[in-house]
Amino acid sequence: EAGVTQFPSHSVIEKGQTVTLRCDPISGHDNLYWYRRVMGKEIKFLLHFVKESKQDESGMPNNRFLAERTGGTYSTLKVQPAELEDSGVYFCASRPSGSGGAPNEQFFGPGTRLTVL
Amino acid sequence: GESVGLHLPTLSVQEGDNSIINCAYSNSASDYFIWYKQESGKGPQFIIDIRSNMDKRQGQRVTVLLNKTVKHLSLQIAATQPGDSAVYFCAERGGGFQKLVFGTGTRLLVSP
Repeated sequence: EAGVTQFPSHSVIEKGQTVTLRCDPISGHDNLYWYRRVMGKEIKFLLHFVKESKQDESGMPNNRFLAERTGGTYSTLKVQPAELEDSGVYFCASRPSGSGGAPNEQFFGPGTRLTVL
Repeated sequence: GESVGLHLPTLSVQEGDNSIINCAYSNSASDYFIWYKQESGKGPQFIIDIRSNMDKRQGQRVTVLLNKTVKHLSLQIAATQPGDSAVYFCAERGGGFQKLVFGTGTRLLVSP
């Protein structure tokens, strides 16, 4: 079974530019999460989709960040315009709905390392 | 990996030793506490979780202990192997909500 994939693995952009990160969850997983680790800090929650709906977006730092999950499959996270403090690693995770499996097991992708210069 | 620049507490052990990784949490309302392992270049991987009404749970070579009195969580790894070398994160899940709140992590280094 393919795991969660993220694209690109690395992105280097200049301040003010736009970057779009993509996440493909495990097939059939209704729940999709975005997290990020800004350098020197812990992994922090950004938002949670259930299918195409935003269930919880309390962690989104500001309106420069836009997440979408049209069709309830893959998701994109756009940062526009990027600022220096947005540098870090952005993780996506997915989890199936229902009672199967451990309720807290979120399957993480390898992350996208974003560097804003 | 992405831990560069992140000053993590480090635990160094010899292969075969038992390891104990500790974590303090802040939210008394969390209903689950979880341990994740992150190897270099990969995303976090679920290890084990414990519900807030329990104080101990065992898995394969791992045991999680929860002390709600002092808000302390620990992960014990028996017979530590070089493949256990990674960064270990504790996380909390707030009651009813699925988002995870992660701690800062501990780097485990296992020498052969």
